[in-house]
Amino acid sequence: SQQGEEDPQALSIQEGENATMNCSYKTSINNLQWYRQNSGRGLVHLILIRSNEREKHSGRLRVTLDTSKKSSSLLITASRAADTASYFCATLGGNNRLAFGKGNQVVVIP
Amino acid sequence: NAGVTQTPKFQVLKTGQSMTLQCAQDMNHEYMSWYRQDPGMGLRLIHYSVGAGITDQGEVPNGYNVSRSTTEDFPLRLLSAAPSQTSVYFCASSAGNNEQFFGPGTRLTVL
Repeated sequence: SQQGEEDPQALSIQEGENATMNCSYKTSINNLQWYRQNSGRGLVHLILIRSNEREKHSGRLRVTLDTSKKSSSLLITASRAADTASYFCATLGGNNRLAFGKGNQVVVIP
Repeated sequence: NAGVTQTPKFQVLKTGQSMTLQCAQDMNHEYMSWYRQDPGMGLRLIHYSVGAGITDQGEVPNGYNVSRSTTEDFPLRLLSAAPSQTSVYFCASSAGNNEQFFGPGTRLTVL
């Protein structure tokens, strides 16, 4: 079954604005990862946050993790047209399986 | 490094045909996985392997077989293709439970 569920599913923003996506999950995890997929391409890893971490930054990306609420958020600051993509959260449980959510489509309008 | 490579990029099969999707990685990763991606469904895990000689089923294993005879290669076999297996297939590898590196995908159509 799908572990991660992203919210919202589709987001359209102007270039320069911030984009926030949320992900919820149901069972305990070892880590949570965010991936980006450009149209017709494979997934690219963006950032990994471990279950004992609460916040992590990488360039214009900020990820938070709230294990008590079983949720995570991905913030992209100062968005660019090149950020147009689908974004997936994925959770790693104790069974070594990475379970992906259905993805968020983000469109950044120049 | 080539990373994760997949062949073929595109394939059309008739119902009942069999074929093997190839996946190779040159990063000496222990973990390798196969996913399928369908519209509105995200990625679903088909099979995975935590090392040579070790494989396990994922969420949607029916109709697919895998083997892992070497660290580098992880082929996915469709035994008797069905239209429900029309999808985009991604192979991925990782060093333990860390970030996964994905191949470019194989678009499969079963008529």
